[in-house]
Parts: sequence; structure tokens; C-alpha cells
Amino acid sequence: AQSVAQPEDQVNVAEGNPLTVKCTYSVSGNPYLFWYVQYPNRGLQFLLKYITGDNLVKGSYGFEAEFNKSQTSFHLKKPSALVSDSALYFCAVRDPRDDKIIFGKGTRLHILP
Amino acid sequence: GAVVSQHPSWVICKSGTSVKIECRSLDFQATTMFWYRQFPKQSLMLMATSNEGSKATYEQGVEKDKFLINHASLTLSTLTVTSAHPEDSSFYICSLAGGPLEQYFGPGTRLTVT
Repeated sequence: AQSVAQPEDQVNVAEGNPLTVKCTYSVSGNPYLFWYVQYPNRGLQFLLKYITGDNLVKGSYGFEAEFNKSQTSFHLKKPSALVSDSALYFCAVRDPRDDKIIFGKGTRLHILP
Repeated sequence: GAVVSQHPSWVICKSGTSVKIECRSLDFQATTMFWYRQFPKQSLMLMATSNEGSKATYEQGVEKDKFLINHASLTLSTLTVTSAHPEDSSFYICSLAGGPLEQYFGPGTRLTVT
């Protein structure tokens, strides 16, 4: 079965510092991996995805993620955090057999001014 | 990307009543839509897959008689919470598969059952 794990419930980063939100995955076959962001009382916003190709994926709002097959990880990163990046971040995996997306439990990111 | 709307965005109902939530694809014909629920400070849990013109497929543990899903057209899927109870209070989010490896999410509907 496809699954993703986000080991951190919350991450605190000072504004201007680099940030990393961790995600590991377990899939059968080729992984289709995603990052989404959710602001309070809002729906999900797509940030980026990995399907194939370069291990470093660039997405919206300056975010990027690095796919590491040997470590089965897909960590989300940003070189310089903004206070407005504070939100709930979800890592997700898509099962190519039925298009279902399975979400991690989410990591709350706090950017401290 | 496809635009997905949900109506209502927020609903309060009394225990025992039924509530219908609509999910519309505004610019894309979706044969498949998904319904998720999200409890406060928790992740999204897939409830069911809604297939246009056929019965929905429910995830394990989701009561199909309580959460009625109808996908009558390529642009509309509805989720009806029947005989709602306070424990059904949650954030319900729909999404649609917009082609290979694309999925678009609605803004969500917050249901509060009193």
C-alpha cells in the first residue's frame, strides 16, 4: 500500500533562514509525490510534484523538493523563509492505479519574525 | 488548472437532519471526483471515489448509507450527510482528477452539527 510519513508535527524557523519539512514515502512501483499547503479555513494549494526526471523539483512560492530514492524521502525546502509561509503542509503520494491521493498527517510550519 | 467550487462553504445543522454539499467543476469535465474529510488539526482522509454515472466507491470504514454520494454529471458531485450527528462535524473537501497526475481541490465545506 502507498503511504507517506511526516515525522514532524511542527517546525519552527526564523524568518530569512532556510526551511526543511520532512517526508518519507513507501510505494510499490514508481512514486508520484506531491506537496500541498493549506492555509486556515482554506482548501489545499498545490506546491509541486515529482513524477520522473530531475531529483530536485521546483514549485510555487520559491519552494523546492528533493527526491531521494535511496532514502525514500521527498523533503520540502526553501532557501529563505517568509512569515507568510506559515501554514500546514502536506506530503502526498498518488496511486497510479486508481488516482487516489494519500496524504501524510501534515506538518505545521511556523515562521518566526 | 481546473477550478473547483464547493457549496456551501460553511453550514450549521441540527443533529438528525441531512445536509447536502455540492462540488462543481467549473471548467473541466470530471469523470472521477474524490471526497475527503479533515478533522481539526488532522490530515485529509479519503472517504470515497465518485464516478460519473455509477455508484461511488467507499473507503473502508466509511458508511455508504450515511454519506450518500451522487455524481450525476461531469461537472457536479454531491455528498449528503444523512442523519447528521455532532461527530460528523468536519471539513469536507472534494477534488477531481484533471488528467494524468493532476488533481484539483475545492475550497472545502465546514460542517458543524449541533
